[in-house]
Amino acid sequence: AQSVTQPDIHITVSEGASLELRCNYSYGATPYLFWYVQSPGQGLQLLLKYFSGDTLVQGIKGFEAEFKRSQSSFNLRKPSVHWSDAAEYFCAVAIIQGAQKLVFGQGTRLTINP
Amino acid sequence: DAGITQSPRHKVTETGTPVTLRCHQTENHRYMYWYRQDPGHGLRLIHYSYGVKDTDKGEVSDGYSVSRSKTEDFLLTLESATSSQTSVYFCAISEGKSSEAFFGQGTRLTVV
Repeated sequence: AQSVTQPDIHITVSEGASLELRCNYSYGATPYLFWYVQSPGQGLQLLLKYFSGDTLVQGIKGFEAEFKRSQSSFNLRKPSVHWSDAAEYFCAVAIIQGAQKLVFGQGTRLTINP
Repeated sequence: DAGITQSPRHKVTETGTPVTLRCHQTENHRYMYWYRQDPGHGLRLIHYSYGVKDTDKGEVSDGYSVSRSKTEDFLLTLESATSSQTSVYFCAISEGKSSEAFFGQGTRLTVV
C-alpha cells in the first residue's frame, strides 16, 4: 500500500542550527512529493513540491528538499533555523490511480531552542 | 490564499446526533478532499471528490458520508456522531494534474 513515513515525531534544534526532517515514501510509480508546514491553530501551507527534473527543489522560507529515488526519500532541509520555524511539518505523496489523492505522513513537530 | 471556507469553525455536538460540515471553494478546482487530523496520526483522508457527484472513500471513511452537488461545495456528514470522531477536520482543494492541495483553516469538532 502507498504510504509516507516520517520517522521523527518531535525534533528540537537550536536557533541558527541546521535542520533535516526525514520522509520516506512507498509508492510504485513516479512520486509527486510535497512538504507542508502547519503553525499552531492554522491550516497547512505548502513549502515545496517535487514533480520531476532536478532532484533538489527549493521552497519558501529558505527550505529545500532532495528527492532520492534509490532511498525512497524526500528529506527537508534548512541551513539555519529561525524561531519562527517552530511548527509541525508534513510530508505527502500524491497517489494517482485515475483520480488523485494525497497521502500524508504522521508529521514532525519542530521545537526551536533560543 | 486559495479561496476555501470551512463552516462552522468550531462545533460541539452530542453523541448520536448528525453533523454536517461544509467546505466552499471559489477556485473552481476539480478535486476536493476531507481530512481529519489527530495527534500522532497526521492527516488521514476521509473522502474525496473528483467532480460533481463523483466521490470516493479514503482510508477512514466509516461513519462519514459526503455529497457534492455543485463544484464549489463539498459536504461532510457524520451520520451519528461518536466521541471517536472528535477531531480537527480539514478541507482541501486541488486542480489535480499532480498539483498541490490548498487547505482550509479547519473545523474543530467535539463530540460529547
